[in-house]
Amino acid sequence: NAGVTQTPKFQVLKTGQSMTLQCAQDMNHNSMYWYRQDPGMGLRLIYYSASEGTTDKGEVPNGYNVSRLNKREFSLRLESAAPSQTSVYFCASTFDRGRGVAKNIQYFGAGTRLSVL
Amino acid sequence: QKEVEQDPGPLSVPEGAIVSLNCTYSNSAFQYFMWYRQYSRKGPELLMYTYSSGNKEDGRFTAQVDKSSKYISLFIRDSQPSDSATYLCAMRGVNNNDMRFGAGTRLTVKP
Repeated sequence: NAGVTQTPKFQVLKTGQSMTLQCAQDMNHNSMYWYRQDPGMGLRLIYYSASEGTTDKGEVPNGYNVSRLNKREFSLRLESAAPSQTSVYFCASTFDRGRGVAKNIQYFGAGTRLSVL
Repeated sequence: QKEVEQDPGPLSVPEGAIVSLNCTYSNSAFQYFMWYRQYSRKGPELLMYTYSSGNKEDGRFTAQVDKSSKYISLFIRDSQPSDSATYLCAMRGVNNNDMRFGAGTRLTVKP
């Protein structure tokens, strides 16, 4: 059971370059999320998708775009990378409908460490 | 001021000690309170969750929520070297997309 898989694990970009971070989950979850984690800041939500075909902005969306390709996959794109986007990026998913414990559990991938020079 | 404040530590304790980790928050709309554990170079994993005020115990871990004081705690009894990790508090209101995380406390349990 793979859970949430993120690729790549590491990436170095030059300012102005573009790239797409990939995320896939095999748990049949409806909601998926992209976070960034910076020292002293905790995890901050960039974008989320409550279902296939829908996406919404989170706390820090500027400079990013997302695509919910299908129920399994949710990608994050940096069109023109900036040094301020140097961070660790986490994708997460959850079953977000109904009641009960499952609604509170976000499952995270292992992260993508991105450096923008 | 951040919505969720968490002392980043680092915290170092001997094996077998009782560990107390804490967060304070400012948003009275938060209803669900969670603790995540994050090992180095890994993603966070849910350790405990509590709805509203009260205590919850799971093995060596106890989570406490005091909504009147806007204060949550995680206690680890008989701490083990395998508990060495960063602990993140998290909380939200009705929607999962409103989750707010603390900055994390790095804990080291020395054998």
